[in-house]
Amino acid sequence: AQSVAQPEDQVNVAEGNPLTVKCTYSVSGNPYLFWYVQYPNRGLQFLLKYITGDNLVKGSYGFEAEFNKSQTSFHLKKPSALVSDSALYFCAVNSYNTDKLIFGTGTRLQVFP
Amino acid sequence: DAGVIQSPRHEVTEMGQEVTLRCKPISGHNSLFWYRQTMMRGLELLIYFNNNVPIDDSGMPEDRFSAKMPNASFSTLKIQPSEPRDSAVYFCASSPGTDTTEAFFGQGTRLTVV
Repeated sequence: AQSVAQPEDQVNVAEGNPLTVKCTYSVSGNPYLFWYVQYPNRGLQFLLKYITGDNLVKGSYGFEAEFNKSQTSFHLKKPSALVSDSALYFCAVNSYNTDKLIFGTGTRLQVFP
Repeated sequence: DAGVIQSPRHEVTEMGQEVTLRCKPISGHNSLFWYRQTMMRGLELLIYFNNNVPIDDSGMPEDRFSAKMPNASFSTLKIQPSEPRDSAVYFCASSPGTDTTEAFFGQGTRLTVV
C-alpha cells in the first residue's frame, strides 16, 4: 500500500530565509509525487509534481522540490520565504496505474516577518 | 472552466438527519474523488470513481456513507443518518484520470452535525 509521511506538524521560518518542508513516501513501483498548498477556508491547490526525469522540479510561487529515490523523500523548498507563503502544505503520492492520490497529514508553514 | 464546484459550502444539520453533498467535476475529467478533512485524521480519501464507476470505496467509514456518480458531470456523497463525529470539511476533486496528473479540488463543504 502507498503512504506518505510528513514528520513535522509545523515549520516556522523568518521571512527571507530558506524553507524546507519534509516528505517521505512508500510505494511499490515508481512513485508519482505531488505537493499541494491549502490556504484558510480554501481547497487544495496544486504546486508541483515529480513524475520522471530531473530530480529537481520547479513549481508555482517559486517553490521547488527534490526527489531522492535512495531516501524515498520529496522535500519542498523555497530559497526565500514570504509571509504570504504561510499555509498548510500537503505531500501526496500516486503510483503506476492506480490513480489513487494519497495525502500526508499536512505541515503548517508559518513565516514570520 | 469554473473548476470543481461543490454545494453547499456550509451545512449545519441535526444528528440523525440525512445530508447530501454535491459535486460537479471539471468537464472532461474522468476521475472523481471524495476526501474528508478533520484536525484529528487529516485528509482522508473516502472513495474515488473512474468513468463514473466506483473503483475504491475502502475509505468510506461505514454504511451510513454512500456515494454515487450517475453521470460524468455530477456526484453526490450522502450521510444517513448523520452523527456529530461526521463534522468535517468534505472535498471533491477531479482529474483527467491518469496516474501522473494532478487532481483539482473544489472549495469544500463544511459540515457541522449538532
